[in-house]
Amino acid sequence: DVKVTQSSRYLVKRTGEKVFLECVQDMDHENMFWYRQDPGLGLRLIYFSYDVKMKEKGDIPEGYSVSREKKERFSLILESASTNQTSMYLCASSSTDSYNEQFFGPGTRLTVL
Amino acid sequence: GNSVTQMEGPVTLSEEAFLTINCTYTATGYPSLFWYVQYPGEGLQLLLKATKADDKGSNKGFEATYRKETTSFHLEKGSVQVSDSAVYFCALSAGGQGFSFIFGKGTRLLVKP
Repeated sequence: DVKVTQSSRYLVKRTGEKVFLECVQDMDHENMFWYRQDPGLGLRLIYFSYDVKMKEKGDIPEGYSVSREKKERFSLILESASTNQTSMYLCASSSTDSYNEQFFGPGTRLTVL
Repeated sequence: GNSVTQMEGPVTLSEEAFLTINCTYTATGYPSLFWYVQYPGEGLQLLLKATKADDKGSNKGFEATYRKETTSFHLEKGSVQVSDSAVYFCALSAGGQGFSFIFGKGTRLLVKP
């Protein structure tokens, strides 16, 4: 069974802390994505990566960075967490074929106090 | 640019009622179309997909037909259950490397016994 896993389901951090959200996929997918999901706003793309060490900004990259050192792992970094980054964070992956269907992890609900 | 518009919720139905959630899209070329479902506290799961005009995707009693002439991909189910309560997202992929994946804002469905 294909799988995308995220390091934490729930996370509570303080303002100003550096936060790492990890995502791992076991499907050998080329593409990986980070979204945030907020009520009334749907899913918004933060960053994506189409290859190891490659990254592209999505719609809302400000305040975030990413790292992809290995094909299966894609990390989202909040350099200095702020309260407006309290959200649900979803990771996804896809291959360059299979009609680009995206597979999602379970999500990390991050609260910044 | 590419976009997806789906009906706003919440949609509240009684058990065994008929469900329609409207979805229309704007895209260049020939996109693939998807419906994802998100149950409370979980990530998104692919519900069904269609990759070309007139294709019908189906799964778990849900159906949607790719209508190029009306640029629509409406989700239907003949008899909903309480367990169908979730948020439903319409999405399109316009091909390429996966970062052209566009989601609608989601429609919350609440089914009452």
